[in-house]
Order: sequence, then structure tokens, then C-alpha cells
Amino acid sequence: KNEVEQSPQNLTAQEGEFITINCSYSVGISALHWLQQHPGGGIVSLFMLSSGKKKHGRLIATINIQEKHSSLHITASHPRDSAVYICAWVGGSQGNLIFGKGTKLSVKP
Amino acid sequence: DAGITQSPRHKVTETGTPVTLRCHQTENHRYMYWYRQDPGHGLRLIHYSYGVKDTDKGEVSDGYSVSRSKTEDFLLTLESATSSQTSVYFCAISELPRGDLGYTFGSGTRLTVV
Repeated sequence: KNEVEQSPQNLTAQEGEFITINCSYSVGISALHWLQQHPGGGIVSLFMLSSGKKKHGRLIATINIQEKHSSLHITASHPRDSAVYICAWVGGSQGNLIFGKGTKLSVKP
Repeated sequence: DAGITQSPRHKVTETGTPVTLRCHQTENHRYMYWYRQDPGHGLRLIHYSYGVKDTDKGEVSDGYSVSRSKTEDFLLTLESATSSQTSVYFCAISELPRGDLGYTFGSGTRLTVV
């Protein structure tokens, strides 16, 4: 049973568009992670959120703990943003992550 | 400058043979994890370690064993590989529990069992 739901599963955008990826979860959590998986397969941590909003360059992540929802926004999207974006929360006392299935983003020039 | 490396990167093996995947870190992080990634599934936890000789099972541990005899190495062993273990395997490390300072992932090992 996957307790993390992401939407959309696939997203195609034109360069320059504003992108939003959503993540909903069914259990109470204290923090949520956003990760990026490049076409070559490598996985990179983008954000860890426990409340509010974080920004890094053109990426913005928000979380509403009460509503059990988080969003990842990409402003002025670029083809190099094409990747799979994954949200995950810490499901165990030793820090193991419970992952969503990911959102595959393709940004066309 | 990878603080975590996985080996091998690719492997093809026959059903029934033992296979060992290695995760090596130079960050001195306490927590290490093995995940597998399959189409239609999010990454799923196989085993994890919270210190030398301290390991525990994850969601999909059947058919896998692990060992951590020193801080820097976390080995994943498929005792007798099956086709259902064809997957991409990722190792991850974290300095603190719950990933409060984030996680670092290895580049993955693509394993094919024929």
C-alpha cells in the first residue's frame, strides 16, 4: 500500500511555463522530502520540509501539514528540468523513506 | 566528488547464482539504506543499517541479506537470484535519523537476472 500519492503522473510543458507537482499523503508526518531523478537514473535530494515554504533557485516547495499536502513548483521551466520528481516521507524511526511513484516531467524547447 | 559509490553499475547474472552489491561511502554517515526501484512502484526499502553490525529489514527484504562490518561499506546479497529480483538498486546514506540533513543516493546498480 502506497501512502504517498503524486499528481500528475506525467507532465509535458513548454519551456518557460510554471510547473506544479502535487503530493498528498495519508498519515501524519513531521517532514517530507522532494527528490529529483535525472534521465540517467541519479537521484538528488532537493528539499526537506516540515512547514511553510522553501526556495532554491527556480524551485519552490510548500507543505501544509494539516492538509497532508505538499507542492513543488518550478518557475520559468527549462528543458534541463526534465526529470522524474519524487516526494517521500520518513516512514520509520531509523529514517527510511516512503516514496511516491514520481511525476515524470518533460519540458519542450 | 561522490561521497557514495555503488558497484557494480550493471550486472547480468543467472537464476540461482549468488550476487553481492556493494555500497561504499566516504562521508562517515551512520545510516545506510538499500532500495529497489521497479516500474509502477516507488522506491522500496530492502534493508537498512543504523550502525556497524546494526541492520534491520525493510518492506521487501525476502530473498536479500545485508552486512555492515565497517562504517563505510554496506553489502546487499541475493543468496540465490531470481528473475523477480531484476531491478535497479539504490543505496542511500544519511547523517542523522529521519534525514534531517538530507539523503545522498548512489548512482544505482542495474541488475538483470536471466
